Amino acid sequence: QQQVKQSPQSLIVQKGGISIINCAYENTAFDYFPWYQQFPGKGPALLIAIRPDVSEKKEGRFTISFNKSAKQFSLHIMDSQPGDSATYFCAASNAGKSTFGDGTTLTVKP
Amino acid sequence: DAGITQSPRHKVTETGTPVTLRCHQTENHRYMYWYRQDPGHGLRLIHYSYGVKDTDKGEVSDGYSVSRSKTEDFLLTLESATSSQTSVYFCAISESTSRGDTQYFGPGTRLTVL
Repeated sequence: QQQVKQSPQSLIVQKGGISIINCAYENTAFDYFPWYQQFPGKGPALLIAIRPDVSEKKEGRFTISFNKSAKQFSLHIMDSQPGDSATYFCAASNAGKSTFGDGTTLTVKP
Repeated sequence: DAGITQSPRHKVTETGTPVTLRCHQTENHRYMYWYRQDPGHGLRLIHYSYGVKDTDKGEVSDGYSVSRSKTEDFLLTLESATSSQTSVYFCAISESTSRGDTQYFGPGTRLTVL
């Protein structure tokens, strides 16, 4: 039973383009929705996170859009750069436990 | 890596041998987690701990056991390693607060079971 579904599995974007990764969750008890970025050979690291009481959060070129009624949230990377090439994981958490999506491998072509 | 170390970083072992992975934190965080990461499966929770000697199973706990005798250390043991346990193992820590449950990950241990 997968509680967090992430798509697409892989994404190729040209430099300067917009990268969009989507996630959907099932459990309405989740109250925190972080995105993690992982480079090869490294552990995941927090990129940006949102709580369900807001519909959007922006930090630099990274924006989370959150739709509570649809139980969906997405990561938008504006002006994508080759240095953004990494694997991105969405997660949903509550009371100390997180459930992760399967990840999206983003490649930004120069 | 937020004051988290994992040891060993790489290990090759044979089927049927016991293996123990260690996670050590210097952040005094309450929660500690063990995940495995495999292609196409993302991060899957093996076991987690919410305090000293308080542990619980995750979604893929079969074949694994854990122990936490001190706040800073969380051990993952494979009692009898199998080839299906070849994976990259990540430890994570968290301090669940009103701001959310951000997890901080260690550098990972690459385990190969021959």
